[in-house]
Amino acid sequence: AQSVAQPEDQVNVAEGNPLTVKCTYSVSGNPYLFWYVQYPNRGLQFLLKYITGDNLVKGSYGFEAEFNKSQTSFHLKKPSALVSDSALYFCAVRGDRGSTLGRLYFGRGTQLTVWP
Amino acid sequence: DVKVTQSSRYLVKRTGEKVFLECVQDMDHENMFWYRQDPGLGLRLIYFSYDVKMKEKGDIPEGYSVSREKKERFSLILESASTNQTSMYLCASKTGGLSEAFFGQGTRLTVV
Repeated sequence: AQSVAQPEDQVNVAEGNPLTVKCTYSVSGNPYLFWYVQYPNRGLQFLLKYITGDNLVKGSYGFEAEFNKSQTSFHLKKPSALVSDSALYFCAVRGDRGSTLGRLYFGRGTQLTVWP
Repeated sequence: DVKVTQSSRYLVKRTGEKVFLECVQDMDHENMFWYRQDPGLGLRLIYFSYDVKMKEKGDIPEGYSVSREKKERFSLILESASTNQTSMYLCASKTGGLSEAFFGQGTRLTVV
């Protein structure tokens, strides 16, 4: 069965420093992976996705993610964090068989706090 | 831009009431979803629909039903609201294949 895990409930980083939000996945077929961000009392916004090709995927707001097949990971990164990046981040994987193909499976989320 | 609109941002209902949460999307997406979000549990899928009048149970369908009479509208129904259904409810839509999902702004439901 497909799943993602976000091992950190919280990540704290100083403004201007690089940030990483971790995600590992488990699928039986090809992995199709997504990152979303949620600001307080709002819905989720799409950041980026990995389908195939380059292992480094670039997305919105200066974020990028690195796909690593051997480590089954898809970590979200940003070279220089901003206070406004403080939000809840979700990793997701697409279902890999049958009736699950149309849906996304989400991790529990990681709260990112960037302090000035 | 894709727009997914949920009918209410905040709702307060009484235990035992029948509650309707409405979601409308304007991009002709085939697939629509209802999730609930609770702290520490992430997003859990309640129901999804891949076509008009079609529905599939998600991971936590108990106590809920859905209706999709038109392609653009997907309704979540709490047949008899209970306090353990107090939560944030998120609607999403997407096309088929490897596309990303688009989310509404969420409905924070409180059952008292």
